[in-house]
Amino acid sequence: GAVVSQHPSRVICKSGTSVKIECRSLDFQATTMFWYRQFPKQSLMLMATSNEGSKATYEQGVEKDKFLINHASLTLSTLTVTSAHPEDSSFYICSASRMTVNTEAFFGQGTRLTVV
Amino acid sequence: GIQVEQSPPDLILQEGANSTLRCNFSDSVNNLQWFHQNPWGQLINLFYIPSGTKQNGRLSATTVATERYSLLYISSSQTTDSGVYFCAVTWGQGGKLIFGQGTELSVKP
Repeated sequence: GAVVSQHPSRVICKSGTSVKIECRSLDFQATTMFWYRQFPKQSLMLMATSNEGSKATYEQGVEKDKFLINHASLTLSTLTVTSAHPEDSSFYICSASRMTVNTEAFFGQGTRLTVV
Repeated sequence: GIQVEQSPPDLILQEGANSTLRCNFSDSVNNLQWFHQNPWGQLINLFYIPSGTKQNGRLSATTVATERYSLLYISSSQTTDSGVYFCAVTWGQGGKLIFGQGTELSVKP
């Protein structure tokens, strides 16, 4: 299957700082990537759709100024959590599909963010 | 929007037992996938199955798109099968995956 790599896998940051998470498609080009968030014992909730060369599309209730998404190339999307607070502590995970968006999706390893 | 419901929410099995997990969805879908989330959070692709039946070792899956459900079968379960199983669908345009709430499986030795 396709390989999607996410970095870092775990990060601890101080309240008020910003954290950048990278999502790379290693063996294919992805014009669209997706970012999800998962709280403990809950399902994955879509945060935003990352579009190469254009603005991201955010789901209702997701603050675009807090969660900055940049999809500058066909193999890299980044999610920056700005001015992080303890309530932003969560598991963030990205996905991409090899061909069109309705084909099989592959996920990165996820990033566990803890804000102290 | 589309609703994705999984059942049962929790399942405890003895090693060697068989199980069936169900995923119901409320509208026509473009794509349906089953995932296993391991204890480290990694989502492992099990099946890409918008329709039909597929088998991979002890696991198999069937999606009946016209009746809006999918089933995941696990046979001769092992302790390493423990974890959360998610069903997810794409619906409409855009390709975003909508996840069910998951089934947490615990296989006891």
